[in-house]
Amino acid sequence: KQEVTQIPAALSVPEGENLVLNCSFTDSAIYNLQWFRQDPGKGLTSLLLIQSSQREQTSGRLNASLDKSSGRSTLYIAASQPGDSATYLCPGAGNNRKLIWGLGTSLAVNP
Amino acid sequence: EPEVTQTPSHQVTQMGQEVILRCVPISNHLYFYWYRQILGQKVEFLVSFYNNEISEKSEIFDDQFSVERPDGSNFTLKIRSTKLEDSAMYFCASKTGANTGELFFGEGSRLTVL
Repeated sequence: KQEVTQIPAALSVPEGENLVLNCSFTDSAIYNLQWFRQDPGKGLTSLLLIQSSQREQTSGRLNASLDKSSGRSTLYIAASQPGDSATYLCPGAGNNRKLIWGLGTSLAVNP
Repeated sequence: EPEVTQTPSHQVTQMGQEVILRCVPISNHLYFYWYRQILGQKVEFLVSFYNNEISEKSEIFDDQFSVERPDGSNFTLKIRSTKLEDSAMYFCASKTGANTGELFFGEGSRLTVL
């Protein structure tokens, strides 16, 4: 059964640090992967989508990569800001295209 | 920027009552989804909808639940005879294609069953 593990579960850093959030799947057969952020009590905001033919995506201070051989994805956040504080989720879709969700990484960036 | 909109943002209901949650997906999207998230737990898939019919549903999506696209814009989730354990945040999402394209979520409808 496909499961997603996100490490660390929680992270608290001072403003300005570069961060790496990790996501791993028990089954490495990931078709595509999308990183989201979720603010407390709010919806899911799409950050980056890595499609089946891609290995990496960048948007501003965010860079996400997907290693299909190992079933791992990382989200790199450069020069973190307090506004980056949120829970980050990385649901991946296997060959059945069904999204598998983890519990997320709760990030706090302190001014 | 186009967005998925959901109403109501919060609904409180008595156990046993029927609830309808409404969603307006992004206009050129063809695939629609409902997910739910119980407080502190993972996001869970409920149902996917394409071409005016359910394409897939999870074990959670039993006879208590139904979905409809009553017109060209709205996509609704009906929960009959609500139970305490139905209390959760319900998210609607849409995308252009089944295998490609970014999945966009609404802000969610928080359902509280008393």
